[in-house]
Amino acid sequence: GENVEQHPSTLSVQEGDSAVIKCTYSDSASNYFPWYKQELGKRPQLIIDIRSNVGEKKDQRIAVTLNKTAKHFSLHITETQPEDSAVYFCAAGDYGQNFVFGPGTRLSVLP
Amino acid sequence: EPEVTQTPSHQVTQMGQEVILRCVPISNHLYFYWYRQILGQKVEFLVSFYNNEISEKSEIFDDQFSVERPDGSNFTLKIRSTKLEDSAMYFCASSLSRTGGANTEAFFGQGTRLTVV
Repeated sequence: GENVEQHPSTLSVQEGDSAVIKCTYSDSASNYFPWYKQELGKRPQLIIDIRSNVGEKKDQRIAVTLNKTAKHFSLHITETQPEDSAVYFCAAGDYGQNFVFGPGTRLSVLP
Repeated sequence: EPEVTQTPSHQVTQMGQEVILRCVPISNHLYFYWYRQILGQKVEFLVSFYNNEISEKSEIFDDQFSVERPDGSNFTLKIRSTKLEDSAMYFCASSLSRTGGANTEAFFGQGTRLTVV
């Protein structure tokens, strides 16, 4: 089955700096890669996703890149703000949305 | 904005008891899911449901678990005989369509925190 690894497990950045979170996956059949943000005690919320026929996708300060050959995908947050502080989960999945989530990255944006 | 709602928000139960967690997916969505998250750990897939039957289930989803869509709006997760290790946050989610097409975002409910004592 699919196995998703995520690094780093914790990340602290100064406000205004960029943050990069990297994930790898094992199943070449995976074709959908969402990123979820989970604030403390709240539900995971989709922030951006990418499909296997796309190499890069951007939405304002958030971008995601996908390298299918290497089975890597990354989340990039630019101009970080304190409200970006949360746990970020990457996930990989095939048809049916039964994602396998990564272990999460706790991002702290320091004022 | 439509959202997935779950009840109760917190459930405390004794080991060995049955619990039913309830979810109301977004009304026009067709695919429904249960995930769980043990405190401080990652979100884990339990089961997906489409067209009134289970589409996929994980190893976690053993014979103690069952899902049901008893009417046109509710989607329930039943745990027949709870164990201490079932204590977790259980998230319901729904999506309009499957991976690979448009409208595939899975919307999560706010979760039910299950505590087994």
